[in-house]
Amino acid sequence: GAVVSQHPSRVICKSGTSVKIECRSLDFQATTMFWYRQFPKQSLMLMATSNEGSKATYEQGVEKDKFLINHASLTLSTLTVTSAHPEDSSFYICSASAVAGGELFFGEGSRLTVL
Amino acid sequence: GENVEQHPSTLSVQEGDSAVIKCTYSDSASNYFPWYKQELGKRPQLIIDIRSNVGEKKDQRIAVTLNKTAKHFSLHITETQPEDSAVYFCAASRTQAGTALIFGKGTTLSVSS
Repeated sequence: GAVVSQHPSRVICKSGTSVKIECRSLDFQATTMFWYRQFPKQSLMLMATSNEGSKATYEQGVEKDKFLINHASLTLSTLTVTSAHPEDSSFYICSASAVAGGELFFGEGSRLTVL
Repeated sequence: GENVEQHPSTLSVQEGDSAVIKCTYSDSASNYFPWYKQELGKRPQLIIDIRSNVGEKKDQRIAVTLNKTAKHFSLHITETQPEDSAVYFCAASRTQAGTALIFGKGTTLSVSS
């Protein structure tokens, strides 16, 4: 199946710093990528839809100025957590599908710990 | 927007028994319903999916049923094994470009031997 790669898999940062997470589609082009957040023992919550060449669409309650999304090419979307705080500690997962309405492939996930 | 409810939140069965997880959805336009298995600290893995043009789909010990009228779908695992222990998520979406999957809250399945 199609491959989505995410980096880094784990990151620890100090409160107030910014962290960038990359999501790449390795063998297909993704016009749209999705970013999810998963807190321990909870479900995957959609944060935003990343659109190549245009602004991301954020879900209600997700601060667009805090979670900056850039989708500059058909194979790369980045999520930057700005001024991170301990409550931002979570598992962030990106996903994309190779065809519209097709199977959604997930990256490995990035575990963010903010001290 | 879409809202997906999943039950039960936890399910414990003996090895060899069957397990059933149920989900309901709210958006009548949703037509794609995948099920994912997630092990601790790992990405979700698709185990089976169904589209609205069929009512049932089976793959070895796993089956999914869909009732579009009632807006609910279910995952059935037969002859459960300890390695089936994991968190299972149902999801729903419309099959159109740019539409994200909306997930249920998950079911922690424990299979004891």
